[in-house]
Amino acid sequence: DIVMTQSPDSLAVSLGERATINCKSSQSVLSNNKNYLAWYQQKPGQPPKLLIYWASTRESGVPDRFSGSGSGTDFTLTISSLQAEDVAVYYCQQYYDSWWTFGQGTKVEIQ
Amino acid sequence: EVQLVESGGGLVQPGGSLRLSCAASGFTFNNHWMSWVRQAPGKGLEWVANIKEDGSQQYYVDSVKGRFTISRDNAKNSLHLQMNSLRAEDTAVYYCTRSHITAAGCKDYWGQGTLVTVSS
Repeated sequence: DIVMTQSPDSLAVSLGERATINCKSSQSVLSNNKNYLAWYQQKPGQPPKLLIYWASTRESGVPDRFSGSGSGTDFTLTISSLQAEDVAVYYCQQYYDSWWTFGQGTKVEIQ
Repeated sequence: EVQLVESGGGLVQPGGSLRLSCAASGFTFNNHWMSWVRQAPGKGLEWVANIKEDGSQQYYVDSVKGRFTISRDNAKNSLHLQMNSLRAEDTAVYYCTRSHITAAGCKDYWGQGTLVTVSS
């Protein structure tokens, strides 16, 4: 199975500042020039919400302060200017093979 | 509006069985892979099983293989998860999810979840 490891486990960022979350896969998730990597946001008491797929494609309706980057085994989710409503746990997920796996999650809080 | 509504959760003893269901509406059900994802209390997300649009392929996480069966009824727009030989470690909120139409491994819609508690 492909193991997804996120860092850090938690971070506290001031309002308006940049938040950066890293995700590393145990093997490459790149195939046919596409990275099979998604990012989700989960707020307390709610189901997860898809933010990014193909590593950098923003889902419809997602604010442009959210961006994804990276390729192969190393990926980053960036929140360019943290807003109060962005407090949540963020998960990466690979869908390279048929046994999809998630990272352990990164909790983002306001400093 | 896309809606996924889970049902069937509850308290069950170790070794028991439960059948979860998910009623889907607001989209063409048989155009999408569907999946179950679970979340143990206070823990992260774990994909459990998925099923192809026509039901011809199913995949499972190793920990439930041989105990859980995912199925779908495209005529009734419903997804199911038959869970047998339940263990304490199966305790979780179980989410029904729809796969993205162009990125089948991504889940673009999630239900609110149904809680399964395995305890004596």
